[in-house]
Amino acid sequence: NAGVTQTPKFQVLKTGQSMTLQCAQDMNHEYMSWYRQDPGMGLRLIHYSVGAGITDQGEVPNGYNVSRSTTEDFPLRLLSAAPSQTSVYFCASRERGGLSNEQFFGPGTRLTVL
Amino acid sequence: AQKITQTQPGMFVQEKEAVTLDCTYDTSDQSYGLFWYKQPSSGEMIFLIYQGSYDEQNATEGRYSLNFQKARKSANLVISASQLGDSAMYFCAMRDHAGGTSYGKLTFGQGTILTVHP
Repeated sequence: NAGVTQTPKFQVLKTGQSMTLQCAQDMNHEYMSWYRQDPGMGLRLIHYSVGAGITDQGEVPNGYNVSRSTTEDFPLRLLSAAPSQTSVYFCASRERGGLSNEQFFGPGTRLTVL
Repeated sequence: AQKITQTQPGMFVQEKEAVTLDCTYDTSDQSYGLFWYKQPSSGEMIFLIYQGSYDEQNATEGRYSLNFQKARKSANLVISASQLGDSAMYFCAMRDHAGGTSYGKLTFGQGTILTVHP
């Protein structure tokens, strides 16, 4: 199993550009989510999905869109990049249900917006 | 609202000594789970240990143990016999069903940077 994979690893954008961060998992997990990590603030939830076709907003959703057409893929779209979106982005997945189910994280994408 | 607080921005420990990383939490749910993750300088998130709110015994995983004090709402991570490879950022996180969602959002603390000295 590859686990959770993310592409690209690094990206530099100019203000106003759009792009899609890719996330895929091969563990057949129903739950997937996107987090951003900023210095001194831990990880904050952007959007999440509880299954194909079902998504919802997390704590910091503004400026981001998601869709979930398959169980495996959960792309994150930046509509018009802003310097405030400079961050490290993590995709995660886990099995449905159970508070104890471990969340598996991808390796992260480091995004810089100039 | 759910909240996780890690009050130690940085901690230092001598190799082979034990160290405790503090974590306090706040939730209105009776049923919740507490997690600790390690993030080395390479950036990946590594799951260490889990404690459920109804678990009567403190969780242990090898050199990691979780000192769970429910009445005080604390879930401190204890690392015994520290190794140089333990130098990393450590995050405490909580999952509950506050707000009635089935998803169970994971809320993270700000993290503690642990440095192990030889």
